[in-house]
Amino acid sequence: GQQLNQSPQSMFIQEGEDVSMNCTSSSIFNTWLWYKQEPGEGPVLLIALYKAGELTSNGRLTAQFGITRKDSFLNISASIPSDVGIYFCAGQLGHYGGSQGNLIFGKGTKLSVKP
Amino acid sequence: DVKVTQSSRYLVKRTGEKVFLECVQDMDHENMFWYRQDPGLGLRLIYFSYDVKMKEKGDIPEGYSVSREKKERFSLILESASTNQTSMYLCASSLSGRGSKFFGPGTRLTVL
Repeated sequence: GQQLNQSPQSMFIQEGEDVSMNCTSSSIFNTWLWYKQEPGEGPVLLIALYKAGELTSNGRLTAQFGITRKDSFLNISASIPSDVGIYFCAGQLGHYGGSQGNLIFGKGTKLSVKP
Repeated sequence: DVKVTQSSRYLVKRTGEKVFLECVQDMDHENMFWYRQDPGLGLRLIYFSYDVKMKEKGDIPEGYSVSREKKERFSLILESASTNQTSMYLCASSLSGRGSKFFGPGTRLTVL
């Protein structure tokens, strides 16, 4: 089946540093999503990307949909302690049609920020 | 804002009990999903529904069933709970034609 390779698995950084993580796949996706999950909570959608080459920002977060449609990256600029959590990428193969709406998730990047 | 709510945040049940997990969304989304999340295994799809009374098996449907009688509500049923069903259960919803899934806060189920 399809798999997403998300890296790095974990990051331990100093407050104020920039962060970069990415996801790659052998399959072509039509949608890329980035989520953040804090302990004991459900994933929260951060950024959604629907077009190859698309670059979208949400505050200090920037994500891009790779031109090949097989990858995506997420950058966080000037990290702060509340950025701590697990960041997941997710790719969707189906573009239109509800029953094809399943997502393939990466295994997550655990981010720790030292004040 | 889309809101997805789940009936319980924490649940403790005994082996063999029938367990109901309820999920409600308030944004008129066609699609609803149930996942379980386990350390090292990530998010795995149990069942999904793209319309009222419609359901499709996900990757790990064994030991589970679902019910969708109303558009806003999607229930996950463990017919006879077992210890290997101890997990975090996450409900999600999305519009057709758009992949963005919105998740509920999760139910941490412990089966003793």
